[in-house]
Amino acid sequence: AQSVTQPDIHITVSEGASLELRCNYSYGATPYLFWYVQSPGQGLQLLLKYFSGDTLVQGIKGFEAEFKRSQSSFNLRKPSVHWSDAAEYFCAVGISNFGNEKLTFGTGTRLTIIP
Amino acid sequence: EAGVAQSPRYKIIEKRQSVAFWCNPISGHATLYWYQQILGQGPKLLIQFQNNGVVDDSQLPKDRFSAERLKGVDSTLKIQPAKLEDSAVYLCATSERGLEAFFGQGTRLTVV
Repeated sequence: AQSVTQPDIHITVSEGASLELRCNYSYGATPYLFWYVQSPGQGLQLLLKYFSGDTLVQGIKGFEAEFKRSQSSFNLRKPSVHWSDAAEYFCAVGISNFGNEKLTFGTGTRLTIIP
Repeated sequence: EAGVAQSPRYKIIEKRQSVAFWCNPISGHATLYWYQQILGQGPKLLIQFQNNGVVDDSQLPKDRFSAERLKGVDSTLKIQPAKLEDSAVYLCATSERGLEAFFGQGTRLTVV
């Protein structure tokens, strides 16, 4: 069965600094990978996704992520964070099996931005 | 494009009471998911519908949880009777095809 690990429960970053959130997955085949963001009291919003092709994926709000098969990782990055980026970030792995598509989420990383 | 609508946004009930949540998907989205998100955890899939048929309900506690999706559009999730450990945010998500899911704002349930 597929699984996702987000090793960092909570990260604090200064506004304007760079950011990297870690995500490791476990799945026997090539996975579909996602990053979602959740602001307080809100649902999850898709930041970016990787299905195939270029391993560096660009998303919304200036985020990018890189798929590294050798490390089973899909880390999220942003060169300069803004106070509005404070939120909870979830990495997810998806499988598609004869029309049965399922997402498995990690436990999330809470991002705090300090002035 | 209208998003996924969920109601109510908040609900407080006593244990052993029943509760129902409603989800209206994005028009044309055939796949509908219900997730449970306990505080400090990632969302956990409870049930997945493809149109009005159940694709996966392996993690749904069927002794107390039920869900239906009439006519392949709106869906309701019911808990009866509720337990303290059911306190969570219940998220509905829908997708047109593939795995790109769009989420509603969720219903925060507190069982006291």
